[in-house]
Amino acid sequence: DGGITQSPKYLFRKEGQNVTLSCEQNLNHDAMYWYRQDPGQGLRLIYYSQIVNDFQKGDIAEGYSVSREKKESFPLTVTSAQKNPTAFYLCASSSPGGMVYGYTFGSGTRLTVV
Amino acid sequence: DQQVKQNSPSLSVQEGRISILNCDYTNSMFDYFLWYKKYPAEGPTFLISISSIKDKNEDGRFTVFLNKSAKHLSLHIVPSQPGDSAVYFCAASGVGRGSTLGRLYFGRGTQLTVWP
Repeated sequence: DGGITQSPKYLFRKEGQNVTLSCEQNLNHDAMYWYRQDPGQGLRLIYYSQIVNDFQKGDIAEGYSVSREKKESFPLTVTSAQKNPTAFYLCASSSPGGMVYGYTFGSGTRLTVV
Repeated sequence: DQQVKQNSPSLSVQEGRISILNCDYTNSMFDYFLWYKKYPAEGPTFLISISSIKDKNEDGRFTVFLNKSAKHLSLHIVPSQPGDSAVYFCAASGVGRGSTLGRLYFGRGTQLTVWP
């Protein structure tokens, strides 16, 4: 079955540590996205990539980094510079001009800083 | 500044009645609009979309209405069922504008509760 896999589902991090969230898709989609969800804030765009080896900052990129070395993979690193990293993180992908159905989302990763 | 706004954080409706979720947008260049449904601890799932060349799109119990002059869209669910209880996100896109090609702008969501 085609889809997006995010792992792990739950992640705990100590303050001051970097952590990487995995996102893999087998939909052959060119574009991939990372969103963060906080209560009452909706979905806020962190980074997005429209092709391999290229990515752009979204609205809240500070304290995060990404790479896009393969079409299928778009990992997100939450660095120690991110002041409030506890949140629900969502990865998504889309095909060019695929606005009829928009994005396909993964099931999310809940990151908690302890 | 939010370009897509859902001004009602919550809505409570009795089973069998109509649920109406509202969404406003500010960018007149948006030309595609979508609704997503999200359960807790899961990713959003696509529900229904509408192109700016239409004013209505229907899929089973779900209908989306678009009023371009008012920059307003609404999602109607008839009849509402307890399983419809979820957060509903409105999203908009401006296809074909360079670096923002394909990017969706989301509202903050409306929590719908359907009670028996």
